[in-house]
Amino acid sequence: RKEVEQDPGPFNVPEGATVAFNCTYSNSASQSFFWYRQDCRKEPKLLMSVYSSGNEDGRFTAQLNRASQYISLLIRDSKLSDSATYLCVVNLISGNTPLVFGKGTRLSVIA
Amino acid sequence: ETGVTQSPTHLIKTRGQQVTLRCSSQSGHNTVSWYQQALGQGPQFIFQYYREEENGRGNFPPRFSGLQFPNYSSELNVNALELDDSALYLCASSRDNQETQYFGPGTRLLVL
Repeated sequence: RKEVEQDPGPFNVPEGATVAFNCTYSNSASQSFFWYRQDCRKEPKLLMSVYSSGNEDGRFTAQLNRASQYISLLIRDSKLSDSATYLCVVNLISGNTPLVFGKGTRLSVIA
Repeated sequence: ETGVTQSPTHLIKTRGQQVTLRCSSQSGHNTVSWYQQALGQGPQFIFQYYREEENGRGNFPPRFSGLQFPNYSSELNVNALELDDSALYLCASSRDNQETQYFGPGTRLLVL
């Protein structure tokens, strides 16, 4: 079983749609969780950290369920500029340790 | 921008050759991590350098090696290149005990 699993997509959605991405992780000792965004042929950029209490940043909402080892990202009112690959990322130990990435889920928002 | 730079941006090599990739970390950061991202995959951890010492290594063979310099910049060296080494090589800098890693733009390596 892979350490971090994501549905690879692609998700093709119209502008204005709501889209949800899911991710599961295998190591129950994982401490920190993130969503990164990666545009085509660019480096990954931190979109948001994910906390057990859930967190929201504008149109983006992230949730963590430790019991199910499940992470989600919800994007509301999709924009064309949201088209990218979304990477689910886990850190085994809090602090400065290697990140474990999923393969990413590709999103295309269509006009 | 993150302030992390990498060179070169693109590189073409042939099998068996050696390559050196470079990374300059963000000001104030003392940790550099290297990742390999093959096409269609997420980045895979190669190794990490903290204050000039290797501080963890992923599942990569010894022909992948690295260095970190006193100014915290870093090099990734790959010997005896194989076709499967073709990938985007990313470095990320961070400060000790901080989770956020800032990625450079990457070096795209093609091995023919």
